[in-house]
Amino acid sequence: AQTVTQSQPEMSVQEAETVTLSCTYDTSENNYYLFWYKQPPSRQMILVIRQEAYKQQNATENRFSVNFQKAAKSFSLKISDSQLGDTAMYFCAFMKSNSGNTPLVFGKGTRLSVIA
Amino acid sequence: EPEVTQTPSHQVTQMGQEVILRCVPISNHLYFYWYRQILGQKVEFLVSFYNNEISEKSEIFDDQFSVERPDGSNFTLKIRSTKLEDSAMYFCASYRVGDYGYTFGSGTRLTVV
Repeated sequence: AQTVTQSQPEMSVQEAETVTLSCTYDTSENNYYLFWYKQPPSRQMILVIRQEAYKQQNATENRFSVNFQKAAKSFSLKISDSQLGDTAMYFCAFMKSNSGNTPLVFGKGTRLSVIA
Repeated sequence: EPEVTQTPSHQVTQMGQEVILRCVPISNHLYFYWYRQILGQKVEFLVSFYNNEISEKSEIFDDQFSVERPDGSNFTLKIRSTKLEDSAMYFCASYRVGDYGYTFGSGTRLTVV
């Protein structure tokens, strides 16, 4: 079974600074998908970024980028130019395939506070 | 942008009562899911549903739980006899192959008293 580990329960960052959230996972699969979801105080789950394991290039979405290290099974999220609206829980998630029939497996989350 | 709609946003129920949580997935999506998040804990998979049947379920999804797509648009989660430990946020999600990822609803906060 796949597991996802987020070792940082809480982090904080000054507004406009850069912060990196860590995630490691365990799987025997070769092809899979990794995600970062954001959960603000409203509790909605918002997809931030996706990485396909077969792609060597790290995914980027505006101020959000990942550092995907397949051999190390590591998938960190970097938030640049942090904004107050980035304050949220961030969940790393794993999915075995994009067929629709495999569930997302989530880590325990990292609570990020952006400080003015 | 299309979204997944969940109702109600908050439900309070007496222990032992039945509850039905409702979801309207995105109209052209074919895969539907329920997830649960106990306060302060991680998001846990309950069940996935495709082609009018359960495709996968977790250990949490025992005989107390059932899902249904009664009318081609709604997707419901029923808890037959609620327990205190069922208090959680319940998220519905839907997906279409080729999409960037699941789309989650805003969740239903269930409080069992």
